[in-house]
Amino acid sequence: DSGVTQTPKHLITATGQRVTLRCSPRSGDLSVYWYQQSLDQGLQFLIQYYNGEERAKGNILERFSAQQFPDLHSELNLSSLELGDSALYFCASSEGLADTDTQYFGPGTRLTVL
Amino acid sequence: GQSLEQPSEVTAVEGAIVQINCTYQTSGFYGLSWYQQHDGGAPTFLSYNALDGLEETGRFSSFLSRSDSYGYLLLQELQMKDSASYFCAVRDSNYQLIWGAGTKLIIKP
Repeated sequence: DSGVTQTPKHLITATGQRVTLRCSPRSGDLSVYWYQQSLDQGLQFLIQYYNGEERAKGNILERFSAQQFPDLHSELNLSSLELGDSALYFCASSEGLADTDTQYFGPGTRLTVL
Repeated sequence: GQSLEQPSEVTAVEGAIVQINCTYQTSGFYGLSWYQQHDGGAPTFLSYNALDGLEETGRFSSFLSRSDSYGYLLLQELQMKDSASYFCAVRDSNYQLIWGAGTKLIIKP
């Protein structure tokens, strides 16, 4: 158990809908990262927050947005969903911004868009 | 552009040694990390190299050559439970972690 929690574990929805994925980082970790992993693919970095502020942006679509709240939990919002958005979405957390910071991953949310 | 290259699949025999290579091309470099991911599971941290040389942690070792932009993960005394995907990742000058596509390690008895 990494200490990172993600809800829900599974989500099934229809095209055009909007969903919100939630992540609680490990206690004390200030950085939160979001990743997308499609079937048998690598990890695609989406976005990083550090202590409530956006820190880095990867290949995140304009239909997607995220935020980190004062209690450091984070939410990833996916809107106008398409079939291709079906994937495993991981949240990870780390202590800070140091280059040695290990990322601890949550169990992921499996999103299925029908 | 930034890229990390690693083999898509490697097959080895239980009890043997296997090496998974990773070459990278990134804007800046702070360190090379390795993560393990079992099917359906979350990636878990294995090792981190910031300096040239070999780092050993039990049956796993990781090597880095900054001049060659190259590193590898070495797994010894392979066990069936080591069957997983292995990802290398580089932290670039923006502190972003750039990920390789992953290497699927298949272990045969």
